[in-house]
Amino acid sequence: GAVVSQHPSWVICKSGTSVKIECRSLDFQATTMFWYRQFPKQSLMLMATSNEGSKATYEQGVEKDKFLINHASLTLSTLTVTSAHPEDSSFYICSARDQVGSGSHFGPGTRLTVT
Amino acid sequence: AQTVTQSQPEMSVQEAETVTLSCTYDTSESDYYLFWYKQPPSRQMILVIRQEAYKQQNATENRFSVNFQKAAKSFSLKISDSQLGDAAMYFCAYLIQGAQKLVFGQGTRLTINP
Repeated sequence: GAVVSQHPSWVICKSGTSVKIECRSLDFQATTMFWYRQFPKQSLMLMATSNEGSKATYEQGVEKDKFLINHASLTLSTLTVTSAHPEDSSFYICSARDQVGSGSHFGPGTRLTVT
Repeated sequence: AQTVTQSQPEMSVQEAETVTLSCTYDTSESDYYLFWYKQPPSRQMILVIRQEAYKQQNATENRFSVNFQKAAKSFSLKISDSQLGDAAMYFCAYLIQGAQKLVFGQGTRLTINP
């Protein structure tokens, strides 16, 4: 149980375009989902916390107008990278928590390459 | 601010041997949770083991066990009978009771030598 999926797993887009990444909790309801960015050989950097039905809370230094997060239901959160640039190329990971105090369940990640 | 420190960027161990990964954390809270996550080359984050701070007994999951020293704010992971599939990045993480977000350490890359 407690499976989190992400789609797509790999996406290539041209500079200036927008790309949407979906994160779904498949067998549990997630009131809170998290979006991370991971650079090669580094730890996970939290970008934002997404609560169902309310606005996301962004970490300091993360541009909320560039990284749009929507948590429309208890099983789906989306991250849209708007007007993507090559520096946005990275590995993006989502996670979801099914109960207080439990570890987060992580999605398999999405590799974004902006050309 | 809460911080998590993994002082070993890389570790290696012979297959079937035992290895211990270190983690220290800084907090003024008394009620929290600690985790070890594994990230293999596939980059899928996998929960290895979890420890509640109020529990004195060290958590154990098969070949994985922790040495939780609350006063010293230390949370090390011991892997016994290392297997080739244990090769991965290992991240220590901390969660305050009632808080939402995990705080991760920098990670330790574990190599298993056959």
